[in-house]
Amino acid sequence: SQTIHQWPATLVQPVGSPLSLECTVEGTSNPNLYWYRQAAGRGLQLLFYSVGIGQISSEVPQNLSASRPQDRQFILSSKKLLLSDSGFYLCAHGSRGRGTEAFFGQGTRLTVV
Amino acid sequence: QKEVEQNSGPLSVPEGAIASLNCTYSDRGSQSFFWYRQYSGKSPELIMSIYSNGDKEDGRFTAQLNKASQYVSLLIRDSQPSDSATYLCAVNGPSNTGKLIFGQGTTLQVKP
Repeated sequence: SQTIHQWPATLVQPVGSPLSLECTVEGTSNPNLYWYRQAAGRGLQLLFYSVGIGQISSEVPQNLSASRPQDRQFILSSKKLLLSDSGFYLCAHGSRGRGTEAFFGQGTRLTVV
Repeated sequence: QKEVEQNSGPLSVPEGAIASLNCTYSDRGSQSFFWYRQYSGKSPELIMSIYSNGDKEDGRFTAQLNKASQYVSLLIRDSQPSDSATYLCAVNGPSNTGKLIFGQGTTLQVKP
């Protein structure tokens, strides 16, 4: 069965510090991978999605970047965090093809102080 | 215009009633449509997928799709307090671009 691992569950970081969130998927090959952010009381904002190794599409220009160094690994990074980067970060995977529903990891609640 | 729009609510229904949740989307070429449920503090979980016009039923849930009107809905029959959550509509773009866009979600409150 497919599983998705995302860590850490919570993170408190000072303004200006770097960020690295990692997500890995098991039990599937060539998945679509997604990073979403959810501000408190808001919907899911698509940040990045990837349909293959090294293929990253950015949806919102901002203080973040993403990389996919391996087929089932997706990394979200920032060189210098801003207060506005606080939120609930969710990694998701989906299968290729018409269906492409996404399945989510447990999420990382990031607070920038 | 937002790509996927939902009324944020809250939508309040009594226990045992039918809850009706609605979603509209802007890309006429969209092919795949999903409903997710998200409990407070948790990640979203997929509850329904629909790809063709008409109704799709799964237990107490029915998803309805009208591509001509660019409209998707979710009906929850015999609503229970445990159904109280935020329901997110998601739409996939055409041509398998991989892009999956969510609406802002509708908060449902089922009152005992």
